[in-house]
Amino acid sequence: GAGVSQSPRYKVAKRGQDVALRCDPISGHVSLFWYQQALGQGPEFLTYFQNEAQLDKSGLPSDRFFAERPEGSVSTLKIQRTQQEDSAVYLCASSRGSGLGSPLHFGNGTRLTVT
Amino acid sequence: SQQGEEDPQALSIQEGENATMNCSYKTSINNLQWYRQNSGRGLVHLILIRSNEREKHSGRLRVTLDTSKKSSSLLITASRAADTASYFCATGAGMTTDSWGKLQFGAGTQVVVTP
Repeated sequence: GAGVSQSPRYKVAKRGQDVALRCDPISGHVSLFWYQQALGQGPEFLTYFQNEAQLDKSGLPSDRFFAERPEGSVSTLKIQRTQQEDSAVYLCASSRGSGLGSPLHFGNGTRLTVT
Repeated sequence: SQQGEEDPQALSIQEGENATMNCSYKTSINNLQWYRQNSGRGLVHLILIRSNEREKHSGRLRVTLDTSKKSSSLLITASRAADTASYFCATGAGMTTDSWGKLQFGAGTQVVVTP
């Protein structure tokens, strides 16, 4: 497909478990973003990559959150020792450019439920 | 924390009517974007307006921006049942490559269009 692909679509984790969420951006897109969306809220920025470089990780809520994009394509968001407050939809977005105002293309997200 | 606030939170209209929603934000921006989100899906970019623009059109969409009042409006004309979705405004304040994609979203306006 031509869009941003995220897997798994749904993830249920017990509190304390580690999870890994995957994002396949649109081919050739330089920029990749992770956002967290709580129920009934707008997305909140987590982190941003340009190619393999993580240029901004100011939105990561704690050091339990870690993101990587080692080859400048696929990205993984890892959450260690999950807590109930981590329950949310995690959205990945990519963009062709790295300039101001390039629109973001979002995946359908991974819904994480921590029990 | 969320930068923008949409108003109203929810809007119910009939097909053929116009839908207007507003967004207010707090800090200086260089662009404002509107996104649509269907239930359980990712966000779809609708339109971007730069801080030096006052009005922009795209198909049945019309966006205005008033930087003096720190507000924007989205008008959907001749609405259709398929327009049923949540609509979010997102502001971009980043001026550098490192920060341009760090969008701040509002909580959204939930629009229901009944046939």
